[in-house]
Amino acid sequence: DIQMTQSPSSLSASVGDRVTITCRAGQSISNYLNWYQQKPGKAPKLLIYAASGLLSGVPSRFSGSGSGTDFTLTISSLQPEDFATYFCQQRFTTPPTFGQGTKLEIK
Amino acid sequence: EEQLVESGGGLIQPGGSLRLSCVASGFTFNTYAMSWVRQAPGKGLQWVSTLSSSGSGGNTYYADSVKGRFTISRDDSKNTLFLQMSSLGADDTAIYYCARELTYYTFDYWGQGTLVTVSS
Repeated sequence: DIQMTQSPSSLSASVGDRVTITCRAGQSISNYLNWYQQKPGKAPKLLIYAASGLLSGVPSRFSGSGSGTDFTLTISSLQPEDFATYFCQQRFTTPPTFGQGTKLEIK
Repeated sequence: EEQLVESGGGLIQPGGSLRLSCVASGFTFNTYAMSWVRQAPGKGLQWVSTLSSSGSGGNTYYADSVKGRFTISRDDSKNTLFLQMSSLGADDTAIYYCARELTYYTFDYWGQGTLVTVSS
């Protein structure tokens, strides 16, 4: 199985901050990388697919980049509704695997 | 509007069986691959199983941890996805989410989840 490692595991930030979350794959996965947002008590929500594709309806302050083993999710200007846990996920091989999550908290 | 609604979770004793259901609406169910993803309390996400659309062969895929114990199936006439679970153990305790695949292992719509608790 491909291990996905996110950093940091938790992050405190303020409204308006620019935030970057990193995801590293245990082997090259090309651009087969998705990002999800999960709020407490809710199901995950797909934000970014294919490393940098913004899903329709997702605010443009979210962006993704990377290829191979190293990927980033950037939120350009944090809004109150962005405080949540973020997961990366590889779909390069079966089984698809997720990172452990990055909890984004209000400072 | 696309919607997925799971049911069938509950408290089950170790070694028991349970069948989860997921009813889909708002999209053409029979053209999509569907999956189950679980999340142990306070933990991360773990893919469980995928069933491709009937038109794509109706192929099934399982995580090693559930292979031989869980069976995924679908009834396209009822827009429903199922997960038959047997020989349940404490490690199977989780919220089970049903999810639609936008493309191969990209989950674009999720249900609200159903909690399965395995305990004596």
